[in-house]
Amino acid sequence: DAKTTQPNSMESNEEEPVHLPCNHSTISGTDYIHWYRQLPSQGPEYVIHGLTSNVNNRMASLAIAEDRKSSTLILHRATLRDAAVYYCILTPIGYGGATNKLIFGTGTLLAVQP
Amino acid sequence: GAVVSQHPSWVICKSGTSVKIECRSLDFQATTMFWYRQFPKQSLMLMATSNEGSKATYEQGVEKDKFLINHASLTLSTLTVTSAHPEDSSFYICSAEVPLVGETQYFGPGTRLLVL
Repeated sequence: DAKTTQPNSMESNEEEPVHLPCNHSTISGTDYIHWYRQLPSQGPEYVIHGLTSNVNNRMASLAIAEDRKSSTLILHRATLRDAAVYYCILTPIGYGGATNKLIFGTGTLLAVQP
Repeated sequence: GAVVSQHPSWVICKSGTSVKIECRSLDFQATTMFWYRQFPKQSLMLMATSNEGSKATYEQGVEKDKFLINHASLTLSTLTVTSAHPEDSSFYICSAEVPLVGETQYFGPGTRLLVL
């Protein structure tokens, strides 16, 4: 499985943008880049995913480097509710089943200061 | 979005008893569900892949006779921790793959198990 590297922790101030980096230098051409987050004492929550192009949704934006060896999750205006562990995970393009299993790394613990 | 529920949300049991945890997809059918375990201050560890109508696929190091998985319908998977011991105390989380959304999974809220 292709590995990702994330900083252990980051801090942000409320209402400011947050850029969470992820390195995945061994990514293959058939790997999606997924981001999930886990709030304290809850199950993980899907945030966003992409393959090659930048992606936007109501929660966040995903910026993918041209060589796909890194990506950045962007929270445009951090709120206290965004304090969580953010996981960057690679998954191969598949058709369901075991090929889509998620292998979680240690993620980035985001602290948001009021 | 897709909703996945778990029951119970927490359970306390005596050592040696068996505990069943249910994972349900509420508004969609899930051919594939996954079970994870998470110890305090650690990341999620995938235990097994649960496929409707067939045997579960366990990750290396996970005892299939201790963690029984049944996926009898397209909306329900169960994890039974047999003869639980204090070292099995953990946060158990399931997820379900949403058909046609491909590679995205939706997670349940988790079940906290404490074995005394």
